[in-house]
Amino acid sequence: AQSVAQPEDQVNVAEGNPLTVKCTYSVSGNPYLFWYVQYPNRGLQFLLKYITGDNLVKGSYGFEAEFNKSQTSFHLKKPSALVSDSALYFCAVRDSRAAGNKLTFGGGTRVLVKP
Amino acid sequence: GAGVSQSPSNKVTEKGKDVELRCDPISGHTALYWYRQSLGQGLEFLIYFQGNSAPDKSGLPSDRFSAERTGGSVSTLTIQRTQQEDSAVYLCASSLGSGLATDTQYFGPGTRLTVL
Repeated sequence: AQSVAQPEDQVNVAEGNPLTVKCTYSVSGNPYLFWYVQYPNRGLQFLLKYITGDNLVKGSYGFEAEFNKSQTSFHLKKPSALVSDSALYFCAVRDSRAAGNKLTFGGGTRVLVKP
Repeated sequence: GAGVSQSPSNKVTEKGKDVELRCDPISGHTALYWYRQSLGQGLEFLIYFQGNSAPDKSGLPSDRFSAERTGGSVSTLTIQRTQQEDSAVYLCASSLGSGLATDTQYFGPGTRLTVL
């Protein structure tokens, strides 16, 4: 079975400071990992994904994520947060051994960037 | 290009009534997914269509829920005899459907369903 956890319900950070949103996963095969962002009253927007290769993945809006197999983590990072980054962030996983293509999502982490 | 569109954006209904939610995927995408986002439950997978294959219905919470996809494009999610616990945001996503598990899903804005 595939599962993903986001241990923090909310992250507060000052504008200009680094932002990290944590995600850990569990799969039986290889993980395919995704980050999405949701702004108020909007759908989910794709940020980035890890499939294979370089452990550091760069995505939209200056975000990046680091895949760590030994720690089964895929934390989302941004070197310098903006107020406009305030939103709900979801990590998702798909197990390479699982049938079908459904994603399993974490519970979400609300990010609040203060001016 | 146009993204995934969903209608209506908001739906308020009375308990016991049936509702239909519509999803138009991105043109050329052969895979289509329905998810439900509710308070305290996060995002739950409901159903997945891939081309002409039989849909994966493993996430449908009860037999009151059904979905169809006509002509391999537009999809309708139907909830019969709605209950208050059905209140949620229903999200549709589509992907190229290359058959690879690495496909990226692109989401629509969702339909907010409120059952009174």
